[in-house]
Amino acid sequence: GQQLNQSPQSMFIQEGEDVSMNCTSSSIFNTWLWYKQDPGEGPVLLIALYKAGELTSNGRLTAQFGITRKDSFLNISASIPSDVGIYFCAGRSNAGGTSYGKLTFGQGTILTVHP
Amino acid sequence: DARVTQTPRHKVTEMGQEVTMRCQPILGHNTVFWYRQTMMQGLELLAYFRNRAPLDDSGMPKDRFSAEMPDATLATLKIQPSEPRDSAVYFCASSGFSYNEQFFGPGTRLTVL
Repeated sequence: GQQLNQSPQSMFIQEGEDVSMNCTSSSIFNTWLWYKQDPGEGPVLLIALYKAGELTSNGRLTAQFGITRKDSFLNISASIPSDVGIYFCAGRSNAGGTSYGKLTFGQGTILTVHP
Repeated sequence: DARVTQTPRHKVTEMGQEVTMRCQPILGHNTVFWYRQTMMQGLELLAYFRNRAPLDDSGMPKDRFSAEMPDATLATLKIQPSEPRDSAVYFCASSGFSYNEQFFGPGTRLTVL
């Protein structure tokens, strides 16, 4: 089945530093999503990507849909303490039938920001 | 304010008891997903519905778990009987006709003693 490898598993950074994380897939996706999960809450959608090569920003966050359609990147610039949380990538393929609409999730990147 | 809501937020129960978790999807969304999150397994898809019809429940232990959608505004996930290994956070998510973006509820944290 489809697998997503997300890296790094965790990051410890100083406030103000930039952050990069990525996901790679064993198969092609036609949608990439990035979520953030705060402690005790559900994942919140940050950015959605629909085209290979697409680069999309949301404030200090920038995400890219890889040209090969098998990877995606999320960058956070000038990190602040409230960026702390778990970041998940998720992908959706073109599979039809009962698989249509299902997302495959990465294992998550735990981000810690030291003031 | 369109949000997925889930009740209860926390549930502590004893092994063997029945547990029912409820979800109200975003109004107008026609697809509802149930996920389970644990430290070891991450986010696992248990089941999902489209237009209230179950499409895939292959991720769900059939002997004790059941999921239903009695109407468009309510989805339920039931565990009977519950076991300690069911302890996890259960999330409901919904999506609209684009099927691309899923919006998650706050989750139900279940502890089975």
